[in-house]
Amino acid sequence: GENVEQHPSTLSVQEGDSAVIKCTYSDSASNYFPWYKQELGKRPQLIIDIRSNVGEKKDQRIAVTLNKTAKHFSLHITETQPEDSAVYFCAAVQGAQKLVFGQGTRLTINP
Amino acid sequence: GAVVSQHPSWVICKSGTSVKIECRSLDFQATTMFWYRQFPKQSLMLMATSNEGSKATYEQGVEKDKFLINHASLTLSTLTVTSAHPEDSSFYICSARDPPPSTDTQYFGPGTRLTVL
Repeated sequence: GENVEQHPSTLSVQEGDSAVIKCTYSDSASNYFPWYKQELGKRPQLIIDIRSNVGEKKDQRIAVTLNKTAKHFSLHITETQPEDSAVYFCAAVQGAQKLVFGQGTRLTINP
Repeated sequence: GAVVSQHPSWVICKSGTSVKIECRSLDFQATTMFWYRQFPKQSLMLMATSNEGSKATYEQGVEKDKFLINHASLTLSTLTVTSAHPEDSSFYICSARDPPPSTDTQYFGPGTRLTVL
C-alpha cells in the first residue's frame, strides 16, 4: 500500500521567514495530495491541495509543488506569521479517497 | 464549505463499557465516510472506510468486532467502541467525502476525545 514520509518532524523559523515541508510517497497511482493544518485538539483543516496533473499551485502565502517523477511534494509558506504555528500533515490519496498521512511537522514561528 | 459534525466532542467512560460516536455530514450527502484515530503527538491513522448501505472496510490490525461501524444513511456514520479499555483512549476523527460532481474532497469532523478509565 501507499507510504508517505514527511520531513522534518519539527521546524522552527523566525517570523517573516519561509518554511518548507517535504513529503515523499511510494505509490505512483496516487493522484491527489492535500496538506492539512492541525491546531492542538482541533480537526485537520485543508489548507491547499494539488492534483497529479499540476506541478505547482499557489494560494497567497502558501504554495505546493509536486514532482511526479520523483514522487515528492512540498509545502512552502512565505512571510510566516505566529498564527502559522501548528502541526502540518501531508497526505496522498489513491482510489476512493483513502487518505494516507505523513507523520506530521510541528512548525513553530518565533516572533 | 461542507460541514461535518461529530458527537460527542468528548467522553469519559469506565473500562468494559461501550461508547458510540456519531459523524454527520450536514450539507451534503456522503456516500463514503472514514474513521481515523490519533494518539497524542502522532499522525492520523485510518481505521476503516464506511460506505453507505454496505459493510465497512477495516484497515489491517483494526478489530472489526471491537470497532463497530454503521453507515445507515448518506449523512450519518457511527463508530461504536465496544468493551473499551484504557488503551482505546484516543482522539477519534471522522471525515466525509463530498463526491463528484461536487468538490470530491474529504471534510473532517471536529473529533471526539475518548478517555477510558
